[in-house]
Amino acid sequence: AQSVTQLGSHVSVSEGALVLLRCNYSSSVPPYLFWYVQYPNQGLQLLLKYTTGATLVKGINGFEAEFKKSETSFHLTKPSAHMSDAAEYFCAVSTIKAAGNKLTFGGGTRVLVKP
Amino acid sequence: EPEVTQTPSHQVTQMGQEVILRCVPISNHLYFYWYRQILGQKVEFLVSFYNNEISEKSEIFDDQFSVERPDGSNFTLKIRSTKLEDSAMYFCASSGHRVPTEAFFGQGTRLTVV
Repeated sequence: AQSVTQLGSHVSVSEGALVLLRCNYSSSVPPYLFWYVQYPNQGLQLLLKYTTGATLVKGINGFEAEFKKSETSFHLTKPSAHMSDAAEYFCAVSTIKAAGNKLTFGGGTRVLVKP
Repeated sequence: EPEVTQTPSHQVTQMGQEVILRCVPISNHLYFYWYRQILGQKVEFLVSFYNNEISEKSEIFDDQFSVERPDGSNFTLKIRSTKLEDSAMYFCASSGHRVPTEAFFGQGTRLTVV
């Protein structure tokens, strides 16, 4: 079984400040990890993913995340928040299966960016 | 850029009625999924579909739910007799490969059961 925990359902940051969203996962096999963003009244858009290889992955809109196996974490960061980053962010885990791979999502973190 | 499209964007239905939510996945994708998000809660997996059959389903996906790929392009989710608790945003997703890669999500259908 796999699970995802996102610490903090709401995060408020000032424009230009560091964005740090925490994600811890549980998986009995090597995980594949994803961050998705959901803007108001829209679907889920992939920000970045970790499958294998380099543990620091870069995504769209200046976001990056680091896979730390020893800490079972995949925290998302952005050095400088922009007003357009206001959205809900979901961490998700998946493992390879015979026929496709379902995603297990965390509870989401809603980001508010203050001017 | 290819995208997953879902129709309708909003659906209001009376309790006990049947609803069909429609999705057009990305054309060369092989794996199809339905997820739902009840307001204020996490996104939950419902079902995955590959090679014209269900490959995995969650405990939520009971006998009231069914999926179909009727014509090689559409992928539908049917709820036979809707309940109030079925009110949620339903997301369709598709993926091109067995090796986990990103799933591409549609914009969702907001289902309201009254």
